[in-house]
Amino acid sequence: DAKTTQPNSMESNEEEPVHLPCNHSTISGTDYIHWYRQLPSQGPEYVIHGLTSNVNNRMASLAIAEDRKSSTLILHRATLRDAAVYYCILRDSASGTYKYIFGTGTRLKVLA
Amino acid sequence: KAGVTQTPRYLIKTRGQQVTLSCSPISGHRSVSWYQQTPGQGLQFLFEYFSETQRNKGNFPGRFSGRQFSNSRSEMNVSTLELGDSALYLCASSPSGGLQETQYFGPGTRLLVL
Repeated sequence: DAKTTQPNSMESNEEEPVHLPCNHSTISGTDYIHWYRQLPSQGPEYVIHGLTSNVNNRMASLAIAEDRKSSTLILHRATLRDAAVYYCILRDSASGTYKYIFGTGTRLKVLA
Repeated sequence: KAGVTQTPRYLIKTRGQQVTLSCSPISGHRSVSWYQQTPGQGLQFLFEYFSETQRNKGNFPGRFSGRQFSNSRSEMNVSTLELGDSALYLCASSPSGGLQETQYFGPGTRLLVL
């Protein structure tokens, strides 16, 4: 299975940008890169996803390296409500499967 | 639209018992996936159902099983419970489980095995 590697934890000051990195050196050509976050006592929620090009939505931006072996989730202005565990996930398309492979995630702490 | 609902939210069982958890997906969603979340192993994929058929399965023993009904509601069952089965069980739904689709997660069922 394809795997992702993320730092265990990161800190950011409120109102500042946050760059959350993810390595996925075993990614295959058709694997989508998804990011989800999990707030305390809740199920994961979708943040953003992409295949090759950088992506933007109202929550965040996703920057994907040219070789697709890494990506970075960018929160433009962190707020206290962004404190969560952020998961970088590959959508495994090998052999026609459609399961999500979750990494260990990065716990983001936002300082007031 | 109502979100994904899971029942019960909390459950306490003893070793050797069996348990059934229920998940109601978002209306119109036909793909339902189940995950186990523990502090030690993180989020692990259990299985996915689509149109009443198990389409994908993770690396869990046969004690873990599931099914999906014609209205897309899904249940998972764990037989002969072990202490290590204590976890948060999450259900997620999507329209058809495609590679680009967003999965919508429920709040989870927290199972404690004593």
